Parts: sequence; C-alpha cells; structure tokens
Amino acid sequence: AQSVTQLDSQVPVFEEAPVELRCNYSSSVSVYLFWYVQYPNQGLQLLLKYLSGSTLVKGINGFEAEFNKSQTSFHLRKPSVHISDTAEYFCAVAGGYNKLIFGAGTRLAVHP
Amino acid sequence: DAGVTQSPTHLIKTRGQQVTLRCSPISGHKSVSWYQQVLGQGPQFIFQYYEKEERGRGNFPDRFSARQFPNYSSELNVNALLLGDSALYLCASSFPTGDAKETQYFGPGTRLLVL
Repeated sequence: AQSVTQLDSQVPVFEEAPVELRCNYSSSVSVYLFWYVQYPNQGLQLLLKYLSGSTLVKGINGFEAEFNKSQTSFHLRKPSVHISDTAEYFCAVAGGYNKLIFGAGTRLAVHP
Repeated sequence: DAGVTQSPTHLIKTRGQQVTLRCSPISGHKSVSWYQQVLGQGPQFIFQYYEKEERGRGNFPDRFSARQFPNYSSELNVNALLLGDSALYLCASSFPTGDAKETQYFGPGTRLLVL
C-alpha cells in the first residue's frame, strides 16, 4: 500500500532564505510523486510532479524537488522564499491508477 | 477557460440531514474525483468517476454516494450527516483518461459544517 509522510507540520522561515519541505513515501508499485500547494481558502494547485526520468524536477514559482529512490524521499526546495509563498504544501503519491494519497501537509510561514 | 467550479461554497447542516455538493469540471475533462479534507489533514480520496462510470471508491461508508452526468459534472451526496463529516470537500478533474499520473485540477471546495 502507498503512503506519504511529511516530516514537518510547520516550517517558519525568513523572507529570501532557502527552504526545504521534507516528504517520505512508501510504494510497492511504480512511483509517481507530486507536490501541491494550497493557499488560504483555495483549492490545491500542482507545483511539480515526478513520473520518470531525471530525478530533479523543476516546478512553478521557483520550486524544485529531488526524487531519491534509495531514501524513498521527495523533498521540495526553494532557494529564496517570498512572503507570497506562505501556504500549506502537500506531498502526494499516486495510489493505484486513479487516486492520489496525500500527506498531512506542511504549513510554510514566511516572515519578513 | 474557467477552472473547476464547486457549489455551494459554504454549507451548514445539522446531524442526520442530507447534503448534495456539486462540481463542474474544466471543459473537456471527463474525469472527476472527490476528496474530503478534514481540518489539519491532507485530502482523502472518496470517489472517482470517468465517463459517467464509478472507477474508484475510497474507504468511506455507504452514506457517501456520487454520480456523474452526461455533461461530466458531478454530485456528491452524503446522507445521515455526522459531526465528523464536517470538512472541506474538494472536486478535481483531469484529462484525458483520469489516470493518477495526470495533473489533477482542483476546485476551491465546499466547506461543510455539521452541527
């Protein structure tokens, strides 16, 4: 069975500092991984996804993630955050052919 | 093009009542999925419909049901509401096949409060 663990429930960071949001997964089948962002009172928006190929995936808004099969991780990074990056971030794995299994989320709080 | 739309945006019900939530996918998307997001948790898969057929169901009781119409819009029904059904209900659509590898486009959700 597939599962996702987001290792930090909250990550505070100062503006223009780098950030890493950690995600570990468990999957017994082909691994397809996603990061979604949820701004207050909005639905989820895809940041990036890993399906195959290069283990470094670049997404929108300057985010990137690295797929590490040996460590079963898919950590999200941004070299310099902005106030507007304050949001909830969800890591997800494809659970079978038709659904996503989400982690509990990491709240990123960017302070001036 | 309009994104995924959901109605209503907010809803307050009392225990034992029934509720119907509505979703319109992005034009051309034939797959619609429903997720429940309880406060402080990640979304949990409830249903997927593709071409009006139920393709998948999560670990939810039979009080939860859904359907998809010929125009690919969808309704989620919840009967005999419990306090624990209070959550944000998210609808997502994808193209072309509904495969989990596809990008899911989420609507803003319907926030349901059960008193």
